[in-house]
Amino acid sequence: EAQVTQNPRYLITVTGKKLTVTCSQNMNHEYMSWYRQDPGLGLRQIYYSMNVEVTDKGDVPEGYKVSRKEKRNFPLILESPSPNQTSLYFCASSPRPVGEKLFFGSGTQLSVL
Amino acid sequence: AQKVTQAQTEISVVEKEDVTLDCVYETRDTTYYLFWYKQPPSGELVFLIRRNSFDEQNEISGRYSWNFQKSTSSFNFTITASQVVDSAVYFCALSGLDSNYQLIWGAGTKLIIKP
Repeated sequence: EAQVTQNPRYLITVTGKKLTVTCSQNMNHEYMSWYRQDPGLGLRQIYYSMNVEVTDKGDVPEGYKVSRKEKRNFPLILESPSPNQTSLYFCASSPRPVGEKLFFGSGTQLSVL
Repeated sequence: AQKVTQAQTEISVVEKEDVTLDCVYETRDTTYYLFWYKQPPSGELVFLIRRNSFDEQNEISGRYSWNFQKSTSSFNFTITASQVVDSAVYFCALSGLDSNYQLIWGAGTKLIIKP
């Protein structure tokens, strides 16, 4: 089944404890992206990747890192999480970067205490 | 800069009523793409439709229809004979060269369909 797999689904952590949210797609998509969703703000892009080893900042990259060492995986790393990073996170992919619909993971609800 | 405005934060209607969700966008691009996504209470994001700027034909898919008007920079979404299962948050989004083709999202409209 074609899908974007995101883990974990829920995560509670404490300030400063490094964490990684994994994202994997099995559709051979070139493009992958991370978003955070906060009430009243819609989705805001954190980072995106046009292809392997190519990543770019989105609108809200501060406090996050990503890597794209292989086409299928695009992990999101929070080196030192803070409470303002408490949010719902989505990973997405599409066949090409331009004008294509996004396939989304099921989301990760992160709480930083 | 590109922008998407969904002025209706929340809409509540009774089942079987028709409802229109508004989406107004701003862009300097001549080539751009518009999208609608649905987020039901379960939280996943579901693609509904994509339109490119050169295709102003209105689209109908069952009870869903979309009205794209470049003259007013709007891409409105209408649900006919609404059902409780249509209750969700609906997002409009735009991508174009001005944003390096990254999606710019509206804040979303929460649609509540009451039985």
